[in-house]
Amino acid sequence: SQQGEEDPQALSIQEGENATMNCSYKTSINNLQWYRQNSGRGLVHLILIRSNEREKHSGRLRVTLDTSKKSSSLLITASRAADTASYFCATDLNDYKLSFGAGTTVTVRA
Amino acid sequence: NAGVTQTPKFQVLKTGQSMTLQCAQDMNHNSMYWYRQDPGMGLRLIYYSASEGTTDKGEVPNGYNVSRLNKREFSLRLESAAPSQTSVYFCASSDGQGFIVLTFGAGSRLTVL
Repeated sequence: SQQGEEDPQALSIQEGENATMNCSYKTSINNLQWYRQNSGRGLVHLILIRSNEREKHSGRLRVTLDTSKKSSSLLITASRAADTASYFCATDLNDYKLSFGAGTTVTVRA
Repeated sequence: NAGVTQTPKFQVLKTGQSMTLQCAQDMNHNSMYWYRQDPGMGLRLIYYSASEGTTDKGEVPNGYNVSRLNKREFSLRLESAAPSQTSVYFCASSDGQGFIVLTFGAGSRLTVL
């Protein structure tokens, strides 16, 4: 079974607004990652947060991790049309495998 | 720099036919992976190869075989395709050092009639 689960399944926002999505997972992890998938394309790695980190930033992305609640959130600030995509969290099952959630589909309206 | 290249991009098969999906990476990565993506299911790991010469089953290996031909190439074979194998298949690679961060190909859309 899959380790991670994103919430909400879909999100529609106005350009310039912030988008927040969450990921919950089941077992302890070494790190959690977020990937983006544009329609019809492969996934692209966005950011990795280690289990001993609580927050990480990369450009307009902010990721938090709460290992006590087994959850993470991804915040995209000042959204743009180009942010329209599906976003997936991924957790490491062991040194060689990642498990992905079902994703959050984000639509940014002009 | 091509990254991860998958072929073919699209394929239609009839039930019972066989086919091989090809994947090659030019990043000198040690580890390679095959995932399938179905609506509402996210990505599920089919097989992976931690290093050249090794392969291991993932979550959903039934109906598939893999070959790590060399460090660059990792193929996925469907011996007798079934409609349940209609999916989008993604190959990915990782340098295998430290935390696993995946670089994905563009995907192969397979339809089994």
